[in-house]
Amino acid sequence: QSVLTQPPSMSGAPGQRVTISCTGSSSNIGAGYDVHWYQQLPGTAPKLLIYGNTNRPSGVPDRFSGSKSGTSASLAITGLQAEDEADYYCQSFDSSVSVSGVVFGGGTKLTVL
Amino acid sequence: QVQLQESGPGLMKPSETLSLTCAVSGGSINTYYWTWVRQPPGKGLEWIGHIDYSGSTKYNPSLKSRVTMSVDMSKTQFSLKLRSATAADTAVYYCARNAGFLDVWGQGTTVTVSS
Repeated sequence: QSVLTQPPSMSGAPGQRVTISCTGSSSNIGAGYDVHWYQQLPGTAPKLLIYGNTNRPSGVPDRFSGSKSGTSASLAITGLQAEDEADYYCQSFDSSVSVSGVVFGGGTKLTVL
Repeated sequence: QVQLQESGPGLMKPSETLSLTCAVSGGSINTYYWTWVRQPPGKGLEWIGHIDYSGSTKYNPSLKSRVTMSVDMSKTQFSLKLRSATAADTAVYYCARNAGFLDVWGQGTTVTVSS
């Protein structure tokens, strides 16, 4: 059971907009720690998609955007494309005694219909 | 451009010590935190821990009793040891650079623990 909660799966048709949620608590996202997002294409290593809640690394299309509010964060993908079919993970930091470190969401498998 | 490359045994037996190395090329190892993440088959990502150039470490509490990380500045590489391995440690192991976020990843190496 992951510290950060994501929907296990989502789907959308090409051209549509999808939003993936990442829900945490007062010891991680709610404590002000940044949220980062990673895209993992099948059989490959994760790739940084969004850092610092809203920032895109060079080379990441502006179809991808991130936001954060309270104890949650979201990744939005607009103009969905077939190549966006992948697993998406959110990541933050948790300061609770039992966790005390980097934490990931359980991942969301995005299917492009 | 910094690149990371993991190396390790691939297959090991239960109770043995898993040993992996991550070679850092194209950049210095004396900044950032250097991180290990694993992914069991069909499952999500799990942070194992990280180390900096001085040898300062931070480990996942769930693995802390079995994990040791080290850094070799002369070889620009860092290593992971996981003692008393079991089948539950079977996973793809990734090394990554932590710049506050994991911005550079190795390709991953598969470790299977089986008798």
